[in-house]
Amino acid sequence: GAGVSQSPSNKVTEKGKDVELRCDPISGHTALYWYRQRLGQGLEFLIYFQGNSAPDKSGLPSDRFSAERTGESVSTLTIQRTQQEDSAVYLCASSRQWGLNQPQHFGDGTRLSIL
Amino acid sequence: TQLLEQSPQFLSIQEGENLTVYCNSSSVFSSLQWYRQEPGEGPVLLVTVVTGGEVKKLKRLTFQFGDARKDSSLHITAAQTGDTGLYLCAGALTGGTYKYIFGTGTRLKVLA
Repeated sequence: GAGVSQSPSNKVTEKGKDVELRCDPISGHTALYWYRQRLGQGLEFLIYFQGNSAPDKSGLPSDRFSAERTGESVSTLTIQRTQQEDSAVYLCASSRQWGLNQPQHFGDGTRLSIL
Repeated sequence: TQLLEQSPQFLSIQEGENLTVYCNSSSVFSSLQWYRQEPGEGPVLLVTVVTGGEVKKLKRLTFQFGDARKDSSLHITAAQTGDTGLYLCAGALTGGTYKYIFGTGTRLKVLA
């Protein structure tokens, strides 16, 4: 597709379950970012990838959160043993190159609700 | 902890009025981006400012980057209902990391 694609668009799950969120970046984009957005708030940086390596994981809230990327394509964000405070919209963005001043192209997010 | 504070948090104005949104930090950024986000969608980039003191204009929107690269403003002239949305600033950190810190957001509603 032409844009960043995220799936699922909505996910409702019970506390304690594991969830996997998927991001398909724009083809050819080497940089990929994950953010969390709580209701009515700004974006919280989680992790970014240059190719399939993750130089900065400092934003991951706890060891229940992990992310992987296959080559320069799809990325998955996994949350284990979900808690109610994990409820948020998880946004993925990609950029043509890694580095500063690159425009980020966002997907429409996955809305995660933990019951 | 790097923080980007935006003000005001909420703004409701009549169509045709002017407004300014501010983005402030104690950190220095190599560049700053402004995004607009509509409900159910991801943010969309409006502009990137790179040089301290830089001013960029995009139709009725004027963006300014502070001289010290710690703050920025977005001014909208003659607001229209289509300007309604969540405005976010994002600063690119210096010093070996390529991550962006997003501001707290300004939710703008323009009334007809």
